[in-house]
Amino acid sequence: AQSVAQPEDQVNVAEGNPLTVKCTYSVSGNPYLFWYVQYPNRGLQFLLKYITGDNLVKGSYGFEAEFNKSQTSFHLKKPSALVSDSALYFCAVTRVLTGGFKTIFGAGTRLFVKA
Amino acid sequence: GAVVSQHPSWVICKSGTSVKIECRSLDFQATTMFWYRQFPKQSLMLMATSNEGSKATYEQGVEKDKFLINHASLTLSTLTVTSAHPEDSSFYICSASGVAGVEQFFGPGTRLTVL
Repeated sequence: AQSVAQPEDQVNVAEGNPLTVKCTYSVSGNPYLFWYVQYPNRGLQFLLKYITGDNLVKGSYGFEAEFNKSQTSFHLKKPSALVSDSALYFCAVTRVLTGGFKTIFGAGTRLFVKA
Repeated sequence: GAVVSQHPSWVICKSGTSVKIECRSLDFQATTMFWYRQFPKQSLMLMATSNEGSKATYEQGVEKDKFLINHASLTLSTLTVTSAHPEDSSFYICSASGVAGVEQFFGPGTRLTVL
């Protein structure tokens, strides 16, 4: 079965420290990988994506993610966390299908950044 | 660019009534729109995929007669929750993708509360 795992329900980090939010996937083929952030009562905001090329992808707000094909992982990272980064983060994997595509979302990881 | 709006942002209705939620792509033509449902502290669950001018494709377990989806133009899709019941209360999020690729652009979501 196709799946996306975010093993941590919550990640706590102090402001200024580096943060990592983990994501692994089990999807056939060569999927496209995404990270989104969601603030309370809001839709999802795009952070970054991996389609092909360099395994290290840089995105919005200083976030980056590293694609590791052998480990089927796509962990989200930021060198120095801000309190305003506190939000719900979703990893998503998109498979291209005949005539369209379908996206599977991870369960989400809540990030708390303490001042 | 790539802005998606949803209306209304929140709605409260009585049990048994129908509610219509609009999803619009404001600055691009959305050949495909997706409707998701999100329960509190949970991930997004894909309800259906709609392509402009054709019938929506519903995910397993989603009642198509309950959740009517219309994608009449390249900028508008609507989700109508018919004969709503309290268990339909949820956060509904739409997303849209254009001709070019597999990226989705998300609306801000609509919170439905059925009394």
